[in-house]
Amino acid sequence: DGGITQSPKYLFRKEGQNVTLSCEQNLNHDAMYWYRQDPGQGLRLIYYSQIVNDFQKGDIAEGYSVSREKKESFPLTVTSAQKNPTAFYLCASSTGAFEQYFGPGTRLTVT
Amino acid sequence: GESVGLHLPTLSVQEGDNSIINCAYSNSASDYFIWYKQESGKGPQFIIDIRSNMDKRQGQRVTVLLNKTVKHLSLQIAATQPGDSAVYFCAESLPRGSGTYKYIFGTGTRLKVLA
Repeated sequence: DGGITQSPKYLFRKEGQNVTLSCEQNLNHDAMYWYRQDPGQGLRLIYYSQIVNDFQKGDIAEGYSVSREKKESFPLTVTSAQKNPTAFYLCASSTGAFEQYFGPGTRLTVT
Repeated sequence: GESVGLHLPTLSVQEGDNSIINCAYSNSASDYFIWYKQESGKGPQFIIDIRSNMDKRQGQRVTVLLNKTVKHLSLQIAATQPGDSAVYFCAESLPRGSGTYKYIFGTGTRLKVLA
């Protein structure tokens, strides 16, 4: 089955801790993206990667970091510098200008 | 469930009726548009897309209309069913050169289907 997987579905952390969210795709897509979704707002782009070993900041990159060592994987680290990390995080992938395929999301709660 | 749709506009329709969900997009240079459906606690699912050189596209029970003059998209769902209950949002794809694209997402509309 082709698709995007994110793990875990729910994640709880204490303030001050870094946490890494996993995203894997087997669609052979070059481009991968991380979005944050908050109530009443459209998806906001955190980071994106068009190709392995390259990534770019999106609109709200502060407090986040990513890596793209393999085509299939694009993990996102939420660092302690992110002031409001509690949110629903979505990973997506795409090829060219076509639709983005989304993973099931990770709900991160930081207390 | 997720609170993603907490503050969104809501459209309530009777089961079997047609639904029309609207979206205003922001950039006249956007050349590709997508409608997504998002159920509570899940990632968005692709429903239908349309390129800027078209003004209408039909799928199974869904139709997307594009009005470039006023930068407006609509999604029509025929014979709405309980399983259609979800948050729907549009996305526009904006070319930014070098073969890369920026996706801009709308905030969404919650569709409630009444039995």
